Amino acid sequence: DGGITQSPKYLFRKEGQNVTLSCEQNLNHDAMYWYRQDPGQGLRLIYYSQIVNDFQKGDIAEGYSVSREKKESFPLTVTSAQKNPTAFYLCASSRDRDSYEQYFGPGTRLTVT
Amino acid sequence: QKEVEQNSGPLSVPEGAIASLNCTYSDRVSQSFFWYRQYSGKSPELIMSIYSNGDKEDGRFTAQLNKASQYVSLLIRDSQPSDSATYLCAVKIGGSTLGRLYFGRGTQLTVWP
Repeated sequence: DGGITQSPKYLFRKEGQNVTLSCEQNLNHDAMYWYRQDPGQGLRLIYYSQIVNDFQKGDIAEGYSVSREKKESFPLTVTSAQKNPTAFYLCASSRDRDSYEQYFGPGTRLTVT
Repeated sequence: QKEVEQNSGPLSVPEGAIASLNCTYSDRVSQSFFWYRQYSGKSPELIMSIYSNGDKEDGRFTAQLNKASQYVSLLIRDSQPSDSATYLCAVKIGGSTLGRLYFGRGTQLTVWP
């Protein structure tokens, strides 16, 4: 089955620890995205990548980092510099930079205490 | 200025009625418009895309686009309790080829039996 996988579904961390969220797709899509969703806030773009080895900051990139070494993978690291990391994190992909139809993975719910 | 705006609701309609969800956007050159459905605790699912003025129908769903008024709507005919979800409007803002969308905060729809 083609799709986007995110792991784990739930993640718990102590404050001050870095944590990496996984996102993998087997849709052969060029572009991948990371969003954060908080209650009542909608989706906010963290980082996006339109091609391997290239990525751009979104609207709320501070405290996050990404890499895009493979077409299929776009991991997100939430660093200790992110002041309010508890949120629902969503990874999405689209066919290429000219296709704006984005498809989402199931999400990772991160709780930092 | 918010790029994409939706009434947050909640919108409540009886089973069998037509649910009307509205979205306005700020950028006159926007060309691509999408509706996503998000069930509680789940990730968004793409249900409609529209690129030209007028109506686009897919089963019980109809998307309507009026670029002159910068307005896009989603009609759900014969609403069912299973349609109860948050509906997100997404718009590709701006004339550049950078492939990112802007999302509204969503409208929560409840269909009661």
